[in-house]
Amino acid sequence: GQQLNQSPQSMFIQEGEDVSMNCTSSSIFNTWLWYKQDPGEGPVLLIALYKAGELTSNGRLTAQFGITRKDSFLNISASIPSDVGIYFCAGLNTGTASKLTFGTGTRLQVTL
Amino acid sequence: NAGVTQTPKFRILKIGQSMTLQCAQDMNHNYMYWYRQDPGMGLKLIYYSVGAGITDKGEVPNGYNVSRSTTEDFPLRLELAAPSQTSVYFCASRGRGQGLNNEQFFGPGTRLTVL
Repeated sequence: GQQLNQSPQSMFIQEGEDVSMNCTSSSIFNTWLWYKQDPGEGPVLLIALYKAGELTSNGRLTAQFGITRKDSFLNISASIPSDVGIYFCAGLNTGTASKLTFGTGTRLQVTL
Repeated sequence: NAGVTQTPKFRILKIGQSMTLQCAQDMNHNYMYWYRQDPGMGLKLIYYSVGAGITDKGEVPNGYNVSRSTTEDFPLRLELAAPSQTSVYFCASRGRGQGLNNEQFFGPGTRLTVL
């Protein structure tokens, strides 16, 4: 089964720094989602993207739907300690019961 | 709304035992899903349902069964537990349409160990 490739796999950053991560696929999706997972919890939806080229923000988070429909990017500005966790991208195509294909995850750790 | 609830939170099974993981949602969502997450990996789809009485296989269905007799509940059954089924299991539900309120919401997970 397909999984989306995310990079980097993990990153250590200092509090206050900006963070960028991306997600790539060999096939096209018409919706991209970004989730965050805290230890011992289920994923929580952060941002949803529905249109190629779309740029969407949610607080300090900004995500973009790649123009080729095969990639997406997530940026976190001015990171804080509670940003620690694993970030997953997920792609879906309508008409497929909205089944998600998940990325491999980016683990973010923030140092003070 | 309680959202998506899962029970139990933790379980240890012996090889060959059976169990049912429970999942319920109170958002009147039509779509429900079961995923497993192995250590350091993303989530893989086991089974899904587009409505009461309708279920279908996902990417990794072997060793599992599901039923959907009501809109609210979507239990996952392991008939003969194997060590390869040691994982964290997540249930999710989704409404219709687009938007943050309609995309897949996840439960807190059930951590299963098979020894």
